[in-house]
Amino acid sequence: DTEVTQTPKHLVMGMTNKKSLKCEQHMGHRAMYWYKQKAKKPPELMFVYSYEKLSINESVPSRFSPECPNSSLLNLHLHALQPEDSALYLCASSRGIFYGYTFGSGTRLTVV
Amino acid sequence: KNEVEQSPQNLTAQEGEFITINCSYSVGISALHWLQQHPGGGIVSLFMLSSGKKKHGRLIATINIQEKHSSLHITASHPRDSAVYICAVLHVPNYGGSQGNLIFGKGTKLSVKP
Repeated sequence: DTEVTQTPKHLVMGMTNKKSLKCEQHMGHRAMYWYKQKAKKPPELMFVYSYEKLSINESVPSRFSPECPNSSLLNLHLHALQPEDSALYLCASSRGIFYGYTFGSGTRLTVV
Repeated sequence: KNEVEQSPQNLTAQEGEFITINCSYSVGISALHWLQQHPGGGIVSLFMLSSGKKKHGRLIATINIQEKHSSLHITASHPRDSAVYICAVLHVPNYGGSQGNLIFGKGTKLSVKP
């Protein structure tokens, strides 16, 4: 298995909803990443997990809450989002700093 | 000044043309990625380079570490090559740590006309 799988592919949620995005990989990668990408912009790093521990949090609002239950799974819990949080959320993984990243196909999130 | 600069921003080509996209960077890196993103889609990693040249099918990527410059070439371009091509460098901060960080260029939007 050489993929990063993200679910769901599309999500529409209201500002009072709680939802979660899921990312899974079975390549034995020990680093996993969440990125946010707005239209026509490059991805922006949100969180980095290294060996299941949060190692980088790029000043992301607390309405985004990451979780890494095990080495294969990364979740992003969403609560009380704003319409400006609508974006493509990308997950990626890597074996380490000298290795390539594998990206998922993303979750297209719309907040209404 | 952005740490990763790509040129051109937009590129239109006729099917069959040879295409070159350039990337310059200003930070110390351990590797450079060329990524492809179709409209509304996820990102596919085409190459990771730390030196020299790599080839995969009609795609060729080169890097010159001394000049801090990389190029992505597409030979015999095809409409299905139409996508955004992103250069991203793996920057390892001076403070060390176990992970680097990808710094992305703004992307080159390629349209190949039949």
